[in-house]
Amino acid sequence: EAQVTQNPRYLITVTGKKLTVTCSQNMNHEYMSWYRQDPGLGLRQIYYSMNVEVTDKGDVPEGYKVSRKEKRNFPLILESPSPNQTSLYFCASSLYRAGVTGELFFGEGSRLTVL
Amino acid sequence: AQSVAQPEDQVNVAEGNPLTVKCTYSVSGNPYLFWYVQYPNRGLQFLLKYITGDNLVKGSYGFEAEFNKSQTSFHLKKPSALVSDSALYFCAVRDRGTGGFKTIFGAGTRLFVKA
Repeated sequence: EAQVTQNPRYLITVTGKKLTVTCSQNMNHEYMSWYRQDPGLGLRQIYYSMNVEVTDKGDVPEGYKVSRKEKRNFPLILESPSPNQTSLYFCASSLYRAGVTGELFFGEGSRLTVL
Repeated sequence: AQSVAQPEDQVNVAEGNPLTVKCTYSVSGNPYLFWYVQYPNRGLQFLLKYITGDNLVKGSYGFEAEFNKSQTSFHLKKPSALVSDSALYFCAVRDRGTGGFKTIFGAGTRLFVKA
């Protein structure tokens, strides 16, 4: 089954304790992206990657890191989480080729609470 | 700056009645246009997209959307609403250019369908 898998789905942590949210897709997609969803703000892009070892900042990258060492995986790293990073996080992937419209496939979301 | 507006935070409709969820956008050039749906505790799912051609596009679950270039709108419609259509709907646009394959989302509209 084609899917994007995120872990953990729910996490409560404390300020400053490093954490990683994993994302894996099995569709051989070139493009992967992280979004955060906050009430009234829709989805805002954190980082994206157009292929292995190619990553770039989205609209709200501060406080986050990413890496893309393998095509299928795109982990989101919070080196020193703060309460303003409490949010619902989504990983998404898409084909990225000429002529492709690139609708996104989303994971189920990871709800993060930073105390 | 590129933007997507969903002017209604919430739309209420009775089961069996037609529904419309509004979306307007401000993007240079001719973008790809998308609608996504989010059910409770789930990730976003792709509903439909406009690429080119016929202004009325059909998608999943009986939904359709009407593209209006002069009004820069892409309203989501369904002739007869179901209670199971109750969800959060997001309009999204993506530039056809090479600007990072970026997809911009609206803030979302919550649809309530009453039995």
